[in-house]
Amino acid sequence: DQQVKQNSPSLSVQEGRISILNCDYTNSMFDYFLWYKKYPAEGPTFLISISSIKDKNEDGRFTVFLNKSAKHLSLHIVPSQPGDSAVYFCAASVGRAAGNKLTFGGGTRVLVKP
Amino acid sequence: KAGVTQTPRYLIKTRGQQVTLSCSPISGHRSVSWYQQTPGQGLQFLFEYFSETQRNKGNFPGRFSGRQFSNSRSEMNVSTLELGDSALYLCASSNLGGADEAFFGQGTRLTVV
Repeated sequence: DQQVKQNSPSLSVQEGRISILNCDYTNSMFDYFLWYKKYPAEGPTFLISISSIKDKNEDGRFTVFLNKSAKHLSLHIVPSQPGDSAVYFCAASVGRAAGNKLTFGGGTRVLVKP
Repeated sequence: KAGVTQTPRYLIKTRGQQVTLSCSPISGHRSVSWYQQTPGQGLQFLFEYFSETQRNKGNFPGRFSGRQFSNSRSEMNVSTLELGDSALYLCASSNLGGADEAFFGQGTRLTVV
C-alpha cells in the first residue's frame, strides 16, 4: 500500500514555462513534506520542504503548496530551466525530526526542453 | 566539507551470499539512514542509526541489518541474498536526524545473480 503517490511518472515542459509536479498521500499522520531532486548516478538532493501548519513555502524558483484536506501537495518550478531535468521525489514524515524515516513517492521524471 | 561516501559503488553477488555495504557520513553528522531503491517499490526506508543505536526501522526482513560505529560510519548487511534484493542502496546522513537536513550519498548498486 503506497502511502505517498506521484501519479505522473513523467513530465515534459518547455524552457521558461512552469513545471507542476503533484503528490498525494494517504497517511493523515504525515505532517512534514519534502521534495527531492535526483540526477542519474547521484543520490537525491533536498529541494524544499513544508510543514503541515503552512499551506505554501517558497524558495527562489521553487514553491510547494500543501492542501491538507485533500492530502495533496504540489511543487511548482518557475521558470523551468534545462538543468531542472531530473527525477523529482516527494517524501513525507511524521514529524520533522523523524530520524530521516521518510516515505517517498515513486518519482516524476521531468524533461525541460530548450 | 566532504559529502556522504558509500562504498563500493557497484557490487555483483550470487544468490545465497551475504553482502556488507559501507557509508561514511558527513563529518559531524550523527544520524545515518539507509534506503533501498528499486524500480517497482521506489525508495523505501530500511533503518536509521543515531549515536550507534538503531532508532528507527522500516518493514524489511531480518536478513537486513546494520550497525553504526563510534565514528558514525555505518554498515549495512544483507544475508542470504535473493534476486529481489537487487537495488540501489542509498544512505543519508544528518546531524540530528531532521528530515530536511539529510544529505544522500551516491549509492551502492547491488546486483544479485
